[in-house]
Amino acid sequence: EAQVTQNPRYLITVTGKKLTVTCSQNMNHEYMSWYRQDPGLGLRQIYYSMNVEVTDKGDVPEGYKVSRKEKRNFPLILESPSPNQTSLYFCASSPLGQGPIEQFFGPGTRLTVL
Amino acid sequence: GESVGLHLPTLSVQEGDNSIINCAYSNSASDYFIWYKQESGKGPQFIIDIRSNMDKRQGQRVTVLLNKTVKHLSLQIAATQPGDSAVYFCAENRRGISSGSARQLTFGSGTQLTVLP
Repeated sequence: EAQVTQNPRYLITVTGKKLTVTCSQNMNHEYMSWYRQDPGLGLRQIYYSMNVEVTDKGDVPEGYKVSRKEKRNFPLILESPSPNQTSLYFCASSPLGQGPIEQFFGPGTRLTVL
Repeated sequence: GESVGLHLPTLSVQEGDNSIINCAYSNSASDYFIWYKQESGKGPQFIIDIRSNMDKRQGQRVTVLLNKTVKHLSLQIAATQPGDSAVYFCAENRRGISSGSARQLTFGSGTQLTVLP
């Protein structure tokens, strides 16, 4: 089944404790992206990657890191989480190309930073 | 600044009626727009898209209208069903800085659609 998977689905952590949220897709997509979703703000893009070893900042990259060592994986790293990073996080992937191309979203990771 | 917003945060309709969800945008350089549906506890799911050179596009039970003069986008759902209850987001694709293939979507805050029995 073609899908985007995220782990963990739920995480409660404390301020300053490094964490990684994994994202994997099995559709051989070049493009992958991370979003955070907060009430009243919709989804905001954190980072995106157009291919292996190619990453770029989205709208809200502060406090986050990403890596793209393999085509299928795009982990999101919080080196020193803070309470304002409490949010619902989504990973998405799509093929590259011009024009509208459907992005496939993962099921989400709900992160709480105490 | 750039923004994609929605006129109403919530919308309730009777089952079988048509639904209209509206969206305003301010970036006239966006080359296409997408509507997503997000059910509770799930990630957003693609519904339909429309290029900026089009005024209307139809899918199965859904129609998207684009009015570039007033920078307005709407999603019409025909014969709304209970399974249509969800949050609906419009999103615009800003043209990538480094490449036209980049997906830099700006999402609106969403409209919660509730279908009443």
